Amino acid sequence: DTGVSQDPRHKITKRGQNVTFRCDPISEHNRLYWYRQTLGQGPEFLTYFQNEAQLEKSRLLSDRFSAERPKGSFSTLEIQRTEQGDSAMYLCASSLPVLSGNTIYFGEGSWLTVV
Amino acid sequence: QQPVQSPQAVILREGEDAVINCSSSKALYSVHWYRQKHGEAPVFLMILLKGGEQKGHDKISASFNEKKQQSSLYLTASQLSYSGTYFCGTEIAGTDKLIFGTGTRLQVFP
Repeated sequence: DTGVSQDPRHKITKRGQNVTFRCDPISEHNRLYWYRQTLGQGPEFLTYFQNEAQLEKSRLLSDRFSAERPKGSFSTLEIQRTEQGDSAMYLCASSLPVLSGNTIYFGEGSWLTVV
Repeated sequence: QQPVQSPQAVILREGEDAVINCSSSKALYSVHWYRQKHGEAPVFLMILLKGGEQKGHDKISASFNEKKQQSSLYLTASQLSYSGTYFCGTEIAGTDKLIFGTGTRLQVFP
């Protein structure tokens, strides 16, 4: 049973460039989440999907950020015109809600550095 | 909306016990606990659903008091491997996402 996988693990980009992160959730999980984490802070919710439907986006998510999950399996998070403030670890997580709860499992994260 | 954790940091010797608290101002459906080591992703520890649950495995256990919107994580006879930052993630009733607390940094020394 493979866990949540993210690619790339590290990305250094110049300010103004676009970047895209990919997430492959645990295979039977229908929910997929994106979080962002900066140093010394807890993960901050960005958006989540149930199957291919994007059900919620954080108000913190600017128009430069877009996420997709076209076939209800993998997901991509794109950041356009990156800014230095976008530097963070982007975490993907997945879950399959059951009666015993909605346990959310995180991937290893994708580190973004904007220079 | 973000839950508050206390204490912010704990320093222990191996074998000592610790309690980490998580408090929310919102009605909670569930509380999730994670441990994160530096540079790594959060690792799931346990989930507690409303109903006054208590759970535990090995020497780590937790309780959830939904009336007070509080949860506590208990670490007994701490080991070096317990070092890391502990986060509680709270699921507010009627939402499907976790909002994470401010974190508690735990350091265990030999």
